[in-house]
Amino acid sequence: EPEVTQTPSHQVTQMGQEVILRCVPISNHLYFYWYRQILGQKVEFLVSFYNNEISEKSEIFDDQFSVERPDGSNFTLKIRSTKLEDSAMYFCASSTGLAGGGETQYFGPGTRLLVL
Amino acid sequence: AQSVTQLDSHVSVSEGTPVLLRCNYSSSYSPSLFWYVQHPNKGLQLLLKYTSAATLVKGINGFEAEFKKSETSFHLTKPSAHMSDAAEYFCVVSGDGGYNKLIFGAGTRLAVHP
Repeated sequence: EPEVTQTPSHQVTQMGQEVILRCVPISNHLYFYWYRQILGQKVEFLVSFYNNEISEKSEIFDDQFSVERPDGSNFTLKIRSTKLEDSAMYFCASSTGLAGGGETQYFGPGTRLLVL
Repeated sequence: AQSVTQLDSHVSVSEGTPVLLRCNYSSSYSPSLFWYVQHPNKGLQLLLKYTSAATLVKGINGFEAEFKKSETSFHLTKPSAHMSDAAEYFCVVSGDGGYNKLIFGAGTRLAVHP
């Protein structure tokens, strides 16, 4: 069964450094998403992406964040200058975009980011 | 705005006994609702979803949920718990437009004892 994959599984970085989290969505999916979960808190939506542009973003997704689909398979989340509060589990998800409202989003296993 | 409240942060059951994980939602329109499960060190896996068809939804691994509009609830049940059901469960509502954000509840950690 096709899966969403994410790399790395864990990343440790110093405050102020740039990080890139990578995701490979399911191959025939058209919509891509990033969510994050700070330890002990809810899973929060960050951004959705379709047709090479952002379709929706949350208040969390400020100028420090960017997303890109650099080739036909990868979907990346970049944090330009990490802060301590960016430490979280980051989940990538994808969906077909064909089913209309309420379609299923398929999630990857997550990248645990720790900012020191 | 949509929101989800999971009424229990932790539920503990004995193997072979029923499971009930409670969820209430708030939505200004007819929502799509989901239950996802997260096993340790694994991604979020869809258990089941409701999208305005039958109000009783059957999912994987024997789980089911009933959409009750009058009570704004979408509780998850299973007749008989198995040790492998121990995990974190998230009740989720879709945002406006369907393609965009999912709104998660805080999660319920299910423990299953022998």
